Amino acid sequence: GIQVEQSPPDLILQEGANSTLRCNFSDSVNNLQWFHQNPWGQLINLFYIPSGTKQNGRLSATTVATERYSLLYISSSQTTDSGVYFCAVSANQAGTALIFGKGTTLSVSS
Amino acid sequence: GAVVSQHPSRVICKSGTSVKIECRSLDFQATTMFWYRQFPKQSLMLMATSNEGSKATYEQGVEKDKFLINHASLTLSTLTVTSAHPEDSSFYICSALPTPASYEQYFGPGTRLTVT
Repeated sequence: GIQVEQSPPDLILQEGANSTLRCNFSDSVNNLQWFHQNPWGQLINLFYIPSGTKQNGRLSATTVATERYSLLYISSSQTTDSGVYFCAVSANQAGTALIFGKGTTLSVSS
Repeated sequence: GAVVSQHPSRVICKSGTSVKIECRSLDFQATTMFWYRQFPKQSLMLMATSNEGSKATYEQGVEKDKFLINHASLTLSTLTVTSAHPEDSSFYICSALPTPASYEQYFGPGTRLTVT
C-alpha cells in the first residue's frame, strides 16, 4: 500500500515565525488532504489538494504530484496553531480510504 | 456544508458490555463511510470501509465479530464494539465520502471510548 511520511515529527516555534511541513508519498494519488487535529481530537480539514497550490489566510499548501510530495506553509504562526498536522492520501480509485502519515506536532509559544 | 456528526462524543462502559457509535452525514448522502481508530499520540489507523447496503470490508487484524458495522442508510453508519475490553479504549473517528463519488472526505468529531 501507499506509504506516507511526514517531516519533521516535532516542531517548536516562537509566535510570529514561519514554518514548512512536508509530506512525501510513495505512489500516485487522487486525493491528498491536510488536517489540523485540535486538542479535543477534531480533525479540521485544511486543504484538499491532490495537485497545485492553494492558500487560505496564513496557510498555504502545494502538492507536486509528479514528484510525490506536498508542503504545508504556516506563516506568522500563532499559539492557536499548536497541535498535530496530518497529511493523508488515497490511491487512484474513487471510494478509497485515506492513509495517514504519522503527523507533525507543532508547538507555538508566545 | 459537508458536516459529519458522531454520537456519543464520549462514553465510558464496563468491560464485557457493548457500545454503539453512530456516524451521520448531516447535509449530504454518503454511499461509503470509513471507521478509523486512534490511540494516544499515534496516527489514525483505518479499521473498516462501510458501504451502504452491503457488508463492511475490514482491515487486516481488525476482528469483524468484535467491531460490528452497519450502514443501513445513505446518511448513517454505526460501529458497535461488542464485549468491550480495556484494550478497546481508544478514539474512534468516522469519515464520509459524498455521493456521487467524490475524493474529498469529511470527518466526524470522534468518539472517545473508555472501557473500565
